[in-house]
Amino acid sequence: GAVVSQHPSWVICKSGTSVKIECRSLDFQATTMFWYRQFPKQSLMLMATSNEGSKATYEQGVEKDKFLINHASLTLSTLTVTSAHPEDSSFYICSARDPHFRGEQYFGPGTRLTVT
Amino acid sequence: KQEVTQIPAALSVPEGENLVLNCSFTDSAIYNLQWFRQDPGKGLTSLLLIQSSQREQTSGRLNASLDKSSGRSTLYIAASQPGDSATYLCAVSRGNTPLVFGKGTRLSVIA
Repeated sequence: GAVVSQHPSWVICKSGTSVKIECRSLDFQATTMFWYRQFPKQSLMLMATSNEGSKATYEQGVEKDKFLINHASLTLSTLTVTSAHPEDSSFYICSARDPHFRGEQYFGPGTRLTVT
Repeated sequence: KQEVTQIPAALSVPEGENLVLNCSFTDSAIYNLQWFRQDPGKGLTSLLLIQSSQREQTSGRLNASLDKSSGRSTLYIAASQPGDSATYLCAVSRGNTPLVFGKGTRLSVIA
């Protein structure tokens, strides 16, 4: 199956700093990527839909100025958590849709963010 | 708005037992349904994908069924093993829309 990578796999940062997470589709071109977050023992909650070359669409309650998403190419989307707070600590997972294969979403391994 | 419910929330079974995990969704206009496995602190592993036109998919000891009209899917695991212990997530999509996830079933298989 298709492979999606995320970098970094884990990161610790101080309150007030910004952190960038990368999501790459390694063997297919993804016009659409999705960003989810997951709190401990909770399910995945969609944060935003990222479309190549256009602005991301954010879910209700997600601050677009705090979670900056850029989908600059067909294989790369980035999520930047700006002015991070401890409550932003979570597991962030991206996925990419392969438009040529049943529309299936492939998931990255996730990034564990801890804000101290 | 699509809502996905998984029952039970947690399940503990002895090794070797066959088991069924349940998933229901409120909007039957789906394009596909996927079952995932998630180990603690890890990402998602796709287990099975069922297109809306299909009724079931099988992979090894796993069998997933889909009854779109009633908004239900089941994941059947045969001859469970301790290595099957994980959280199992069900998710549905309308095609161009992102997957909507249930809260998962935490499975423990006791040796």
